[in-house]
Amino acid sequence: DVQLVESGGGLVQSGGSLRLSCEASGFDFSRFEMNWVRQAPGKGLEWLSYISITSAIIYEADSVKGRFTTSRDNAKSSLYLHLNDLRADDTAVYYCARDLVGSDGFDVWGRGTMVAVSS
Amino acid sequence: SYELTQPPSVSVSPGLTARITCSAHVLPTQYTYWYQQKAGQAPVLVIYKDSQRPSGIPERFSGSSSGTTATLIINGVQAEDEADYYCQSAASSGISVVFGGGTKLTVL
Repeated sequence: DVQLVESGGGLVQSGGSLRLSCEASGFDFSRFEMNWVRQAPGKGLEWLSYISITSAIIYEADSVKGRFTTSRDNAKSSLYLHLNDLRADDTAVYYCARDLVGSDGFDVWGRGTMVAVSS
Repeated sequence: SYELTQPPSVSVSPGLTARITCSAHVLPTQYTYWYQQKAGQAPVLVIYKDSQRPSGIPERFSGSSSGTTATLIINGVQAEDEADYYCQSAASSGISVVFGGGTKLTVL
């Protein structure tokens, strides 16, 4: 089965850091562009970042630029999101999502990992 | 910044047709995508490139786009369709992906 599994979430103090991971299985991870999306409790979806197949191109939302870093390791079929200088409004479920080939849509999503930032 | 506006809620009786709109403030240059999110679950892609349906999505789901408004149409709504629905597009391909605020579909 095609699957994405996020991990690394947890409770962290304001100003702290975390590294989220997303492990892919059931498909050739190295051939797909990937994204991070988050959802604050009771709120809508917010796109955070995109990374190309070779990591040569990375796009980030203005809300996280300079604080969050997206990377990938194709040999490990894994996507990462490094979160720094966390704030209370970063509290959310963080999803990784696979790009639908040839489009801006996301055809496979993980179940998400929760990040809670205490002030 | 590029924005997409959805109605907060839509209600429909079983068997009838639900229409959920997604309005952009400027003429979009990229396609619109639609996601269904049931409580406590990850989003699921139900329509891509304005009107294409992924495999496994029931035929009652369809999409259209005209001018600055995209519409998700659910024919013969069923109780299991009760969920939050989000539209998504991009200001420019891959750059600055944007989601609408979401619409809660209630099946009466």
